[in-house]
Amino acid sequence: GAVVSQHPSRVICKSGTSVKIECRSLDFQATTMFWYRQFPKQSLMLMATSNEGSKATYEQGVEKDKFLINHASLTLSTLTVTSAHPEDSSFYICSARWRVGYTFGSGTRLTVV
Amino acid sequence: QQPVQSPQAVILREGEDAVINCSSSKALYSVHWYRQKHGEAPVFLMILLKGGEQKGHEKISASFNEKKQQSSLYLTASQLSYSGTYFCGTEINDQAGTALIFGKGTTLSVSS
Repeated sequence: GAVVSQHPSRVICKSGTSVKIECRSLDFQATTMFWYRQFPKQSLMLMATSNEGSKATYEQGVEKDKFLINHASLTLSTLTVTSAHPEDSSFYICSARWRVGYTFGSGTRLTVV
Repeated sequence: QQPVQSPQAVILREGEDAVINCSSSKALYSVHWYRQKHGEAPVFLMILLKGGEQKGHEKISASFNEKKQQSSLYLTASQLSYSGTYFCGTEINDQAGTALIFGKGTTLSVSS
């Protein structure tokens, strides 16, 4: 089956710093990857879609300058949370299309203090 | 565009059954069901690709009524391991292509 590896699983950072989250497709090529954010007891909200070699497309209300997405290769997409603030604390999950479905990374718990 | 799930929460005893519904105001071409345990990533349960399709996995099955733009997830003879939050997902098409969006989830609690 298709596996998406996401790192780190947990990160604590100070307010004002930046954090990078990586997602790698291990045994397949992911031309498109998706980034979701999930606040406690809420649903997964689609933040952006990244296509390899092109700029990411952000959903309404998501700040593109704050959440930088890079999809430079067919197996790697990164999400950088810049100048993080406590309200950015959340569970971030990446996903990639696999055949007719989607496979998810294990998620990153970001805590900004 | 977000699919609507009902009920919001279900409390069961082991062995009881439950039905979770998912509906959309837009035409559905596929419905994806996931289960998420607290603090973990969602786990794929099944996907339904065409109207009238029913699929099953052990004692969890689902149906898809394309005309009514809805899907239902059936959990029979529930087990403790069934506890978690169930999400249905539907695909949207926008400038970025096709992406999966989720309903608000249904929290299922199974006790012994």
